[in-house]
Amino acid sequence: DAKTTQPNSMESNEEEPVHLPCNHSTISGTDYIHWYRQLPSQGPEYVIHGLTSNVNNRMASLAIAEDRKSSTLILHRATLRDAAVYYCILRGTKAAGNKLTFGGGTRVLVKP
Amino acid sequence: DTAVSQTPKYLVTQMGNDKSIKCEQNLGHDTMYWYKQDSKKFLKIMFSYNNKELIINETVPNRFSPKSPDKAHLNLHINSLELGDSAVYFCASSQGQGRANTIYFGEGSWLTVV
Repeated sequence: DAKTTQPNSMESNEEEPVHLPCNHSTISGTDYIHWYRQLPSQGPEYVIHGLTSNVNNRMASLAIAEDRKSSTLILHRATLRDAAVYYCILRGTKAAGNKLTFGGGTRVLVKP
Repeated sequence: DTAVSQTPKYLVTQMGNDKSIKCEQNLGHDTMYWYKQDSKKFLKIMFSYNNKELIINETVPNRFSPKSPDKAHLNLHINSLELGDSAVYFCASSQGQGRANTIYFGEGSWLTVV
């Protein structure tokens, strides 16, 4: 599985945007970029995913570099409820069952 | 309605015991998974079933045996529990195994082996 690299932690102030970077220089052409988050004492929760184009949904935006070797998850206005570990995951390789393989993630702290 | 539900949520048991964790999803999905999150918080896939057939079996000890009686259920049975089995176990489901598919996770089962 292609690997991703994320900062261990980031801090943000409430109601300010948060930009979470992810490097995936070994991404293959068919890998999708997925983001999940895990709130304290809960299971992982889907946030957003994309292949080549930028994506928006009610939770966040995903900006994908033109060469696809990096991406950025954007939380437009952080709330206290957004404090969680955010995982950037590449999903592909049908031979491997298209596994969702989690890395260390970025712990986001939101200050009131 | 909880989409992916697991029972029990908490389980404390002694070494050597056999225990099961049950999982049910009401999303109509055909693929289910078990993930393990250890004390260092790393999430690792253990098993995946599609239409009741095993499709992913990571390097998990034989003491762990998943059972899928139907598409909506995937139970995890653990024999001869060891201290190192203490972890949070997450069940999950998705429709199909495609790269773009969303996986829905349960809230986890906290297993403590003493």
